[in-house]
Amino acid sequence: DVVMTQTPVSLPVSLGGQASISCRSSQSLVHSNGNTYLHWYLQKPGQSPQLLIYRVSNRFSGVPDRFSGSGSGTDFTLKISRVEPEDLGDYYCLQSTHFPWTFGGGTKLELK
Amino acid sequence: EIQLQESGPGLVKPSQSLSLTCSVTGYTITSGYDWSWIRKFPGNKMEWMGYISYSGSTNYNPSLKSRISITRDTSKNQFFLQLNSVTTEDTATYYCATLSYWGQGVMVTVSS
Repeated sequence: DVVMTQTPVSLPVSLGGQASISCRSSQSLVHSNGNTYLHWYLQKPGQSPQLLIYRVSNRFSGVPDRFSGSGSGTDFTLKISRVEPEDLGDYYCLQSTHFPWTFGGGTKLELK
Repeated sequence: EIQLQESGPGLVKPSQSLSLTCSVTGYTITSGYDWSWIRKFPGNKMEWMGYISYSGSTNYNPSLKSRISITRDTSKNQFFLQLNSVTTEDTATYYCATLSYWGQGVMVTVSS
């Protein structure tokens, strides 16, 4: 299985500040079709996960442009600028290039 | 808008089978997407369990070996999870999802 190593586990931030979360995979996430199936989710307290970024850098419908994704191969980053209260929660990366699909261990974004 | 809703018992006895239903509205499950079951364990680890595609093919996480089955009823626009021979380690919140849209989840406890 592809191991997704997500860091940090906990990320204290100030409102209005910036946050950066890393996700590294144990093998390349470039599919044979050339696409890279690395996605980012936010799970707010008491809610189900919501898709933020799909295929590395594409914001899902309705996601503010404060969220951006980047990376390639085995190394990926989610950045959140101007952190707002509604951004707090647990962030997960997911790879769906290789079976079985696997998640990162999660990052809790919390107030400093 | 695509909406998914899980239903099923919240308590299952060890060695029995766990059966959940996902009801989909706003989209026909034979039109597209892979329809997954995903679970989140206490302690926040996420696991993709498997999916049934819009065409009816299935793909399962090998970690679940022969215990899992995902089926569908296209007339009701529903798909189902069956997990056999459950143990306390199957205690989790179970979600049905496409990669873009998730249900709200159902907590299942395995206990005698």
